[in-house]
Amino acid sequence: AQTVTQSQPEMSVQEAETVTLSCTYDTSESNYYLFWYKQPPSRQMILVIRQEAYKQQNATENRFSVNFQKAAKSFSLKISDSQLGDTAMYFCACRTGANSKLTFGKGITLSVRP
Amino acid sequence: GAGVSQSPRYKVAKRGQDVALRCDPISGHVSLFWYQQALGQGPEFLTYFQNEAQLDKSGLPSDRFFAERPEGSVSTLKIQRTQQEDSAVYLCASSLYADRGHEQYFGPGTRLTVT
Repeated sequence: AQTVTQSQPEMSVQEAETVTLSCTYDTSESNYYLFWYKQPPSRQMILVIRQEAYKQQNATENRFSVNFQKAAKSFSLKISDSQLGDTAMYFCACRTGANSKLTFGKGITLSVRP
Repeated sequence: GAGVSQSPRYKVAKRGQDVALRCDPISGHVSLFWYQQALGQGPEFLTYFQNEAQLDKSGLPSDRFFAERPEGSVSTLKIQRTQQEDSAVYLCASSLYADRGHEQYFGPGTRLTVT
Protein backbone atom coordinates (compact mmCIF):
# COMPACT_ATOMS: atom_id res chain seq x y z
CA ALA A 1 0.00 0.00 0.00
CA GLN A 2 1.13 3.54 -0.63
CA THR A 3 0.74 6.67 1.47
CA VAL A 4 0.90 10.33 0.46
CA THR A 5 1.54 13.14 2.93
CA GLN A 6 0.92 16.83 2.44
CA SER A 7 1.78 18.53 5.71
CA GLN A 8 1.00 22.15 4.77
CA PRO A 9 -2.77 22.75 4.99
CA GLU A 10 -2.65 26.11 3.24
CA MET A 11 -0.36 28.63 1.58
CA SER A 12 -0.64 32.10 0.17
CA VAL A 13 1.38 33.78 -2.57
CA GLN A 14 1.44 37.14 -4.25
CA GLU A 15 0.44 37.25 -7.89
CA ALA A 16 3.43 36.84 -10.25
CA GLU A 17 5.58 35.27 -7.54
CA THR A 18 6.76 31.66 -7.21
CA VAL A 19 5.43 29.12 -4.72
CA THR A 20 6.41 25.56 -3.88
CA LEU A 21 3.98 22.97 -2.54
CA SER A 22 5.45 20.01 -0.67
CA CYS A 23 4.56 16.33 -0.83
CA THR A 24 6.14 13.14 0.45
CA TYR A 25 5.07 9.62 -0.37
CA ASP A 26 5.84 6.07 0.53
CA THR A 27 5.49 2.95 -1.57
CA SER A 28 7.20 -0.40 -1.74
CA GLU A 29 6.67 -0.58 -5.50
CA SER A 30 9.47 0.24 -7.91
CA ASN A 31 7.13 1.14 -10.78
CA TYR A 32 4.89 4.06 -9.85
CA TYR A 33 3.58 7.40 -11.04
CA LEU A 34 3.17 10.66 -9.18
CA PHE A 35 0.63 13.36 -9.96
CA TRP A 36 -0.42 16.81 -8.91
CA TYR A 37 -4.13 17.57 -9.33
CA LYS A 38 -5.82 20.95 -9.02
CA GLN A 39 -9.37 21.34 -7.66
CA PRO A 40 -10.68 24.92 -8.06
CA PRO A 41 -13.54 26.00 -5.80
CA SER A 42 -16.74 24.23 -6.87
CA ARG A 43 -15.09 22.90 -10.00
CA GLN A 44 -13.83 19.52 -11.01
CA MET A 45 -10.40 18.12 -10.46
CA ILE A 46 -7.90 18.44 -13.29
CA LEU A 47 -4.43 17.05 -13.81
CA VAL A 48 -1.61 19.58 -13.47
CA ILE A 49 1.47 17.47 -13.98
CA ARG A 50 2.62 13.85 -13.98
CA GLN A 51 5.97 12.17 -13.21
CA GLU A 52 7.00 8.61 -13.98
CA ALA A 53 9.22 7.24 -11.21
CA TYR A 54 11.68 5.67 -13.65
CA LYS A 55 12.42 9.03 -15.26
CA GLN A 56 15.14 11.04 -13.57
CA GLN A 57 14.28 14.24 -15.39
CA ASN A 58 11.81 16.45 -13.57
CA ALA A 59 8.52 17.02 -15.41
CA THR A 60 7.54 20.53 -16.52
CA GLU A 61 4.30 21.92 -17.92
CA ASN A 62 4.51 25.60 -18.76
CA ARG A 63 4.56 27.45 -15.39
CA PHE A 64 4.41 24.21 -13.42
CA SER A 65 7.39 22.05 -12.60
CA VAL A 66 8.24 19.37 -10.08
CA ASN A 67 11.25 18.56 -7.93
CA PHE A 68 11.28 14.77 -7.78
CA GLN A 69 13.70 13.39 -5.19
CA LYS A 70 13.30 9.64 -5.46
CA ALA A 71 15.62 8.63 -2.63
CA ALA A 72 13.92 11.05 -0.26
CA LYS A 73 10.47 10.12 -1.61
CA SER A 74 9.70 13.77 -2.12
CA PHE A 75 7.63 15.29 -4.93
CA SER A 76 7.14 19.04 -4.71
CA LEU A 77 5.29 21.30 -7.14
CA LYS A 78 6.66 24.69 -8.14
CA ILE A 79 4.31 27.25 -9.63
CA SER A 80 6.06 30.16 -11.32
CA ASP A 81 4.50 33.52 -12.15
CA SER A 82 1.44 32.71 -10.00
CA GLN A 83 -1.90 33.82 -11.41
CA LEU A 84 -5.23 34.46 -9.71
CA GLY A 85 -6.64 31.44 -11.53
CA ASP A 86 -4.16 29.23 -9.69
CA THR A 87 -6.22 29.66 -6.51
CA ALA A 88 -7.42 26.13 -5.71
CA MET A 89 -6.81 23.03 -3.63
CA TYR A 90 -3.85 21.02 -4.86
CA PHE A 91 -3.58 17.30 -4.29
CA CYS A 92 -0.53 15.15 -4.61
CA ALA A 93 -1.28 11.55 -5.64
CA CYS A 94 0.53 8.29 -6.25
CA ARG A 95 -0.36 5.36 -8.45
CA THR A 96 1.64 2.16 -8.69
CA GLY A 97 2.12 0.19 -11.87
CA ALA A 98 0.40 -2.85 -10.39
CA ASN A 99 -2.51 -0.92 -8.98
CA SER A 100 -4.92 1.32 -10.82
CA LYS A 101 -6.23 3.50 -8.04
CA LEU A 102 -4.89 6.91 -7.09
CA THR A 103 -3.87 7.47 -3.47
CA PHE A 104 -4.23 11.15 -2.59
CA GLY A 105 -2.78 13.37 0.09
CA LYS A 106 -5.03 15.60 2.18
CA GLY A 107 -4.44 18.54 -0.12
CA ILE A 108 -3.25 22.08 0.30
CA THR A 109 -5.31 25.22 -0.20
CA LEU A 110 -3.39 27.76 -2.27
CA SER A 111 -4.54 31.37 -2.37
CA VAL A 112 -3.05 33.80 -4.88
CA ARG A 113 -3.31 37.42 -3.71
CA PRO A 114 -3.73 40.24 -6.24
CA GLY B 1 -15.61 16.51 -26.52
CA ALA B 2 -17.80 15.80 -23.52
CA GLY B 3 -16.11 15.10 -20.23
CA VAL B 4 -17.19 12.91 -17.36
CA SER B 5 -20.64 13.81 -16.13
CA GLN B 6 -22.35 12.90 -12.87
CA SER B 7 -25.90 13.19 -11.65
CA PRO B 8 -27.41 14.43 -9.53
CA ARG B 9 -24.95 17.16 -8.60
CA TYR B 10 -26.51 17.48 -5.15
CA LYS B 11 -28.50 14.97 -3.16
CA VAL B 12 -30.05 15.32 0.26
CA ALA B 13 -31.20 12.11 1.84
CA LYS B 14 -32.76 11.33 5.18
CA ARG B 15 -30.91 8.81 7.25
CA GLY B 16 -32.01 5.34 6.29
CA GLN B 17 -32.93 6.18 2.69
CA ASP B 18 -31.33 4.53 -0.32
CA VAL B 19 -29.57 6.67 -2.94
CA ALA B 20 -28.25 6.05 -6.44
CA LEU B 21 -25.51 8.16 -7.99
CA ARG B 22 -24.85 8.05 -11.71
CA CYS B 23 -21.63 8.47 -13.67
CA ASP B 24 -21.31 8.89 -17.44
CA PRO B 25 -17.66 8.39 -18.37
CA ILE B 26 -15.93 9.72 -21.45
CA SER B 27 -16.99 7.65 -24.43
CA GLY B 28 -14.61 4.79 -25.11
CA HIS B 29 -12.90 4.90 -21.74
CA VAL B 30 -12.29 1.41 -20.49
CA SER B 31 -11.61 2.19 -16.85
CA LEU B 32 -13.94 3.80 -14.35
CA PHE B 33 -13.21 4.72 -10.74
CA TRP B 34 -15.31 5.90 -7.81
CA TYR B 35 -13.79 8.01 -5.02
CA GLN B 36 -15.26 9.47 -1.83
CA GLN B 37 -14.11 12.92 -0.74
CA ALA B 38 -14.95 14.08 2.76
CA LEU B 39 -15.00 17.81 3.46
CA GLY B 40 -11.48 19.26 3.44
CA GLN B 41 -9.87 15.91 2.64
CA GLY B 42 -8.38 14.20 -0.36
CA PRO B 43 -10.42 11.70 -2.37
CA GLU B 44 -10.33 8.11 -1.20
CA PHE B 45 -10.70 5.16 -3.54
CA LEU B 46 -13.91 3.16 -3.43
CA THR B 47 -14.00 0.86 -6.43
CA TYR B 48 -12.71 0.29 -9.95
CA PHE B 49 -14.20 -1.16 -13.15
CA GLN B 50 -12.52 -2.30 -16.30
CA ASN B 51 -15.32 -2.40 -18.84
CA GLU B 52 -18.17 -4.16 -17.01
CA ALA B 53 -15.92 -6.09 -14.63
CA GLN B 54 -15.49 -4.77 -11.12
CA LEU B 55 -11.84 -5.57 -10.53
CA ASP B 56 -11.32 -3.87 -7.18
CA LYS B 57 -13.89 -3.01 -4.54
CA SER B 58 -11.52 -2.92 -1.62
CA GLY B 59 -12.36 0.68 -0.76
CA LEU B 60 -16.10 0.25 -0.29
CA PRO B 61 -16.61 1.09 3.40
CA SER B 62 -19.42 -1.35 4.09
CA ASP B 63 -21.81 -3.76 2.44
CA ARG B 64 -24.29 -0.90 2.18
CA PHE B 65 -22.26 0.37 -0.76
CA PHE B 66 -22.73 -1.27 -4.13
CA ALA B 67 -21.53 -0.27 -7.59
CA GLU B 68 -22.27 -1.57 -11.05
CA ARG B 69 -21.40 -0.92 -14.67
CA PRO B 70 -23.51 -3.50 -16.52
CA GLU B 71 -22.75 -2.49 -20.10
CA GLY B 72 -19.26 -1.16 -19.61
CA SER B 73 -20.20 2.50 -19.92
CA VAL B 74 -22.52 4.20 -17.41
CA SER B 75 -21.95 3.31 -13.78
CA THR B 76 -24.16 3.62 -10.73
CA LEU B 77 -23.03 3.80 -7.12
CA LYS B 78 -25.79 2.79 -4.74
CA ILE B 79 -25.80 3.40 -1.01
CA GLN B 80 -28.40 1.60 1.03
CA ARG B 81 -29.73 2.76 4.41
CA THR B 82 -27.66 5.97 4.33
CA GLN B 83 -25.92 7.12 7.48
CA GLN B 84 -24.64 10.57 8.43
CA GLU B 85 -21.06 9.44 7.94
CA ASP B 86 -21.87 8.82 4.27
CA SER B 87 -22.11 12.59 3.72
CA ALA B 88 -19.36 13.44 1.25
CA VAL B 89 -18.68 14.30 -2.37
CA TYR B 90 -18.62 11.20 -4.56
CA LEU B 91 -16.29 11.56 -7.52
CA CYS B 92 -16.25 9.46 -10.64
CA ALA B 93 -13.21 9.29 -12.92
CA SER B 94 -12.56 7.53 -16.20
CA SER B 95 -9.40 6.58 -18.00
CA LEU B 96 -8.76 5.32 -21.49
CA TYR B 97 -6.80 2.45 -20.00
CA ALA B 98 -5.98 1.52 -16.42
CA ASP B 99 -2.29 1.02 -16.64
CA ARG B 100 0.86 2.87 -17.49
CA GLY B 101 -0.07 6.10 -15.78
CA HIS B 102 -2.93 7.04 -18.06
CA GLU B 103 -4.66 10.19 -16.87
CA GLN B 104 -7.86 9.85 -14.91
CA TYR B 105 -10.46 12.44 -15.91
CA PHE B 106 -12.74 13.46 -13.08
CA GLY B 107 -16.40 14.41 -13.09
CA PRO B 108 -17.81 17.31 -11.06
CA GLY B 109 -18.95 15.02 -8.27
CA THR B 110 -22.20 14.42 -6.43
CA ARG B 111 -22.45 16.10 -3.05
CA LEU B 112 -24.44 13.82 -0.75
CA THR B 113 -25.80 15.21 2.49
CA VAL B 114 -27.47 12.80 4.88
CA THR B 115 -29.70 14.46 7.47
